[in-house]
Amino acid sequence: GESVGLHLPTLSVQEGDNSIINCAYSNSASDYFIWYKQESGKGPQFIIDIRSNMDKRQGQRVTVLLNKTVKHLSLQIAATQPGDSAVYFCAENYGGSQGNLIFGKGTKLSVKP
Amino acid sequence: EAQVTQNPRYLITVTGKKLTVTCSQNMNHEYMSWYRQDPGLGLRQIYYSMNVEVTDKGDVPEGYKVSRKEKRNFPLILESPSPNQTSLYFCASSFRQGVFSYGYTFGSGTRLTVV
Repeated sequence: GESVGLHLPTLSVQEGDNSIINCAYSNSASDYFIWYKQESGKGPQFIIDIRSNMDKRQGQRVTVLLNKTVKHLSLQIAATQPGDSAVYFCAENYGGSQGNLIFGKGTKLSVKP
Repeated sequence: EAQVTQNPRYLITVTGKKLTVTCSQNMNHEYMSWYRQDPGLGLRQIYYSMNVEVTDKGDVPEGYKVSRKEKRNFPLILESPSPNQTSLYFCASSFRQGVFSYGYTFGSGTRLTVV
């Protein structure tokens, strides 16, 4: 079945460096992609989204890139801070019968001071 | 403030004792869903609801029930909890555009332990 996966389960970066978290998706019919941040003991928090008619979208310190040719999604965090330490999930919405999101397992980002 | 509210945040119960986890959203979203999150397994959908009185099974519905009598509420019911239902539960809601769901918002989670 369709799935969303992550290339790296853990990522450790130095404070101030840029972080890149990658995600592969398998359903070419997916229309909408979201990145979530989940801190320990909390619910997933929306970071940024992108629709399939876009290649790039920027937020505050975050950028999402979508490469539909290779079905790849990435989240770039500029000037990573200790508060960015969390698990990051990508999710795809392919509008199937359930119309729901398919989540990746998550990447844990650790920021070293 | 737009939000999804779950209660309780933490719950310890015994095997077989019926319980309900409540979920309420104030965004007038049509779509609501319950997920469980387990280490190594990520978020898995239990049940979802497209609108009032419309519910359907997700990927892991066994042992759970839901109801959608009002648009804002979507309670999760465990008629006879078992230890394998010990998990972290999340409620989420979104609005619908055609067959797609947008604006997914999650609650803060309910940590359930069944002993």
